[in-house]
Amino acid sequence: EPEVTQTPSHQVTQMGQEVILRCVPISNHLYFYWYRQILGQKVEFLVSFYNNEISEKSEIFDDQFSVERPDGSNFTLKIRSTKLEDSAMYFCASSEGRGLGLGDQYFGPGTRLLVL
Amino acid sequence: AQSVTQLDSHVSVSEGTPVLLRCNYSSSYSPSLFWYVQHPNKGLQLLLKYTSAATLVKGINGFEAEFKKSETSFHLTKPSAHMSDAAEYFCVVRGLTGANNLFFGTGTRLTVIP
Repeated sequence: EPEVTQTPSHQVTQMGQEVILRCVPISNHLYFYWYRQILGQKVEFLVSFYNNEISEKSEIFDDQFSVERPDGSNFTLKIRSTKLEDSAMYFCASSEGRGLGLGDQYFGPGTRLLVL
Repeated sequence: AQSVTQLDSHVSVSEGTPVLLRCNYSSSYSPSLFWYVQHPNKGLQLLLKYTSAATLVKGINGFEAEFKKSETSFHLTKPSAHMSDAAEYFCVVRGLTGANNLFFGTGTRLTVIP
């Protein structure tokens, strides 16, 4: 069964450093998403991406964040200058389309980011 | 605005006994509701979904959920818990905008006692 994969599974970085989290969505999916879950809190939507541009973003997704689909398979989340409060589990998801059925999102296992 | 509330952060049941994980939703319109499960070190897996068809929805691994508009609830049930059901369960509602983003509850950790 096809699945969403994410690398790395864990990342430790120093405050102020740039990190890139990578995701490989399911191959025939066209919509891509990033969510995050700070320890002990709920999973929060960050951004959705379709046709090489951002469809929607939450207020969390400020200028420090960017997303990119650099090639036909990868979908990346970049944090330019990490802060302590960026420490969280980051989930990538993809869906074939939007709405009923096609909009079902399939999630990767997550990348746990720790900012020191 | 769309939101869901999971009423229990932790539920503990004995193997073979019924499971009930509670979720209430808030939505201006007829919502699309989901239950996801997360096993340790695994991704979020879709268990089942409600999208305004049948109010009783069956999912994988014997789970089902009933949409009750009068109670604004979408509780997850299973007649008989199995050890492999131990995991974190999330009730989720889809956003109203065309971007398809999801709003998660805070999660319920299910423990199954042998």
